[in-house]
Amino acid sequence: EDQVTQSPEALRLQEGESSSLNCSYTVSGLRGLFWYRQDPGKGPEFLFTLYSAGEEKEKERLKATLTKKESFLHITAPKPEDSATYLCAVLISGGYQKVTFGIGTKLQVIP
Amino acid sequence: KAGVTQTPRYLIKTRGQQVTLSCSPISGHRSVSWYQQTPGQGLQFLFEYFSETQRNKGNFPGRFSGRQFSNSRSEMNVSTLELGDSALYLCASSLAQSAGKQYFGPGTRLTVT
Repeated sequence: EDQVTQSPEALRLQEGESSSLNCSYTVSGLRGLFWYRQDPGKGPEFLFTLYSAGEEKEKERLKATLTKKESFLHITAPKPEDSATYLCAVLISGGYQKVTFGIGTKLQVIP
Repeated sequence: KAGVTQTPRYLIKTRGQQVTLSCSPISGHRSVSWYQQTPGQGLQFLFEYFSETQRNKGNFPGRFSGRQFSNSRSEMNVSTLELGDSALYLCASSLAQSAGKQYFGPGTRLTVT
């Protein structure tokens, strides 16, 4: 069965304290891995797409990387406005491709 | 460009009733997907519509149904509501079918009492 697991479930950081969020997956036929950010009361907002192992994408203080079994979202010197839930999703090939989301990591950055 | 809109934003229903939620995708987007989000389960895929046809379906009972109109707007219906149906229902649109990069609406918060 296809599985997407995110860890930790919650993370509390001091402003400026860098860290990483993990998304591990057990799927057959990975077509792509996606990171989203979700603020309270809002729908998820797209951040990155990664297609193959070794690929990296960056945006401001965020950097996403992909290996054959997991992806990391590195947050460098976070600010309070980076507080949100970060979701990982995988696109799996099949008769019809489908998107499976992880449960998310809730990040809180304290000033 | 206007984003994805969902109506209503909040809804309170009682068990046994039915409910219809509406989603207007970004202009030009032909794919609309629906998700149920709960604290314990995260985002669960309900179904995807592309060009008025259901292309993919998640593991939900037949009480959950949907449709898409010629202008790509979509509706989701839940019949015979149960307490466990309380959740945030999210709609997402994309240009292509089964796309990983999706644009989400703000969601409809459904509470079943």
